[in-house]
Amino acid sequence: QKEVEQNSGPLSVPEGAIASLNCTYSDRGSQSFFWYRQYSGKSPELIMSIYSNGDKEDGRFTAQLNKASQYVSLLIRDSQPSDSATYLCAVNLQGGSEKLVFGKGMKLTVNP
Amino acid sequence: GAVVSQHPSWVICKSGTSVKIECRSLDFQATTMFWYRQFPKQSLMLMATSNEGSKATYEQGVEKDKFLINHASLTLSTLTVTSAHPEDSSFYICSARGDGGSYEQYFGPGTRLTVT
Repeated sequence: QKEVEQNSGPLSVPEGAIASLNCTYSDRGSQSFFWYRQYSGKSPELIMSIYSNGDKEDGRFTAQLNKASQYVSLLIRDSQPSDSATYLCAVNLQGGSEKLVFGKGMKLTVNP
Repeated sequence: GAVVSQHPSWVICKSGTSVKIECRSLDFQATTMFWYRQFPKQSLMLMATSNEGSKATYEQGVEKDKFLINHASLTLSTLTVTSAHPEDSSFYICSARGDGGSYEQYFGPGTRLTVT
């Protein structure tokens, strides 16, 4: 069974802090990795995609990928209350499937 | 770019009736669309993968005769919940794979179905 696992959470950080969200995956051949944000009662929204080892920055968000360790993370700098949401890690498996395998999500609360 | 719409955003129907949900890619062509279901406080569950012009591929445990999927054009896929029952009440979300060759999926806003 191909799996994507996220820390069970929930995670609570004060406003202005760095929030760190982690994800591991079991399929060593995976090539595409995504982070989605889902506000309560809403659908997921793509916030980051990463394909190569290393860091990828977009504004306050940084995605980090380490294929050797099968690990992908999302850092949110200067966290804001509006960042409070559930963050979903998603991985595209090798073998040509178009499907994404989603983690169960980590609920983040940023306290003012 | 990469906007996906769904209609309706919410629907209430009586047990035994059928409900059709539409998913449209507004500013790109989507050869592949996906249908998910999400129960409260649970993760997304992929129901099926829909490819334009061909039969949908259903995930294990999803009844294809109950959840009819049609992907008749590059911008429209529909999900029909047939003979709905209260246990079908859920949040149904479609997504579309972007047309740039990557595996990114862009989600519609979702349809909240309540079966009474």
